[in-house]
Amino acid sequence: SQQGEEDPQALSIQEGENATMNCSYKTSINNLQWYRQNSGRGLVHLILIRSNEREKHSGRLRVTLDTSKKSSSLLITASRAADTASYFCATESMDSSYKLIFGSGTRLLVRP
Amino acid sequence: SQTIHQWPATLVQPVGSPLSLECTVEGTSNPNLYWYRQAAGRGLQLLFYSVGIGQISSEVPQNLSASRPQDRQFILSSKKLLLSDSGFYLCAWLEQGNYGYTFGSGTRLTVV
Repeated sequence: SQQGEEDPQALSIQEGENATMNCSYKTSINNLQWYRQNSGRGLVHLILIRSNEREKHSGRLRVTLDTSKKSSSLLITASRAADTASYFCATESMDSSYKLIFGSGTRLLVRP
Repeated sequence: SQTIHQWPATLVQPVGSPLSLECTVEGTSNPNLYWYRQAAGRGLQLLFYSVGIGQISSEVPQNLSASRPQDRQFILSSKKLLLSDSGFYLCAWLEQGNYGYTFGSGTRLTVV
């Protein structure tokens, strides 16, 4: 079953703009991760945020986590056409370690 | 270096035929291994995971099975494929002590 649900399902922005994707989940978690998938390819791990962390940065990526609202957001700043991909959040719940449950993803299109 | 191999990349099989997809990992030992399936435009559904040789946990009851005959080999099988088995199958591994999954490049299975 799906644990995380991303919002929006699809996002189209102009190159240079910021892209924000949101993820909601249902159970208590150990950590939340974001992955990227180019069309027809495997997923690539982007960033992990632990349940006791509120914000994390990696290059142009900024992830926030609000455990009280069971939600997370991924911000990509100064987007590039090469950022075009699907982005998925995935959660490792407290009662199911070593298993990641993925959301349905956000399809991001960055127009040059 | 650590790599994951998954093959074949694409496969077209008739209904009722058997299936065998193989995934191998290099450069690590005792990894957790996972099989996910992704329907077109959707998120990932966890099918099986394994924390060691011969240890298989099934997440979704279906006509698929998995085996782990060696530490770094994970096989997904079916005796008789159904049309609903079509999808993009992804193998992933998690190194002990790490948190981010590494995914293979996937197998596109079309059952006709």
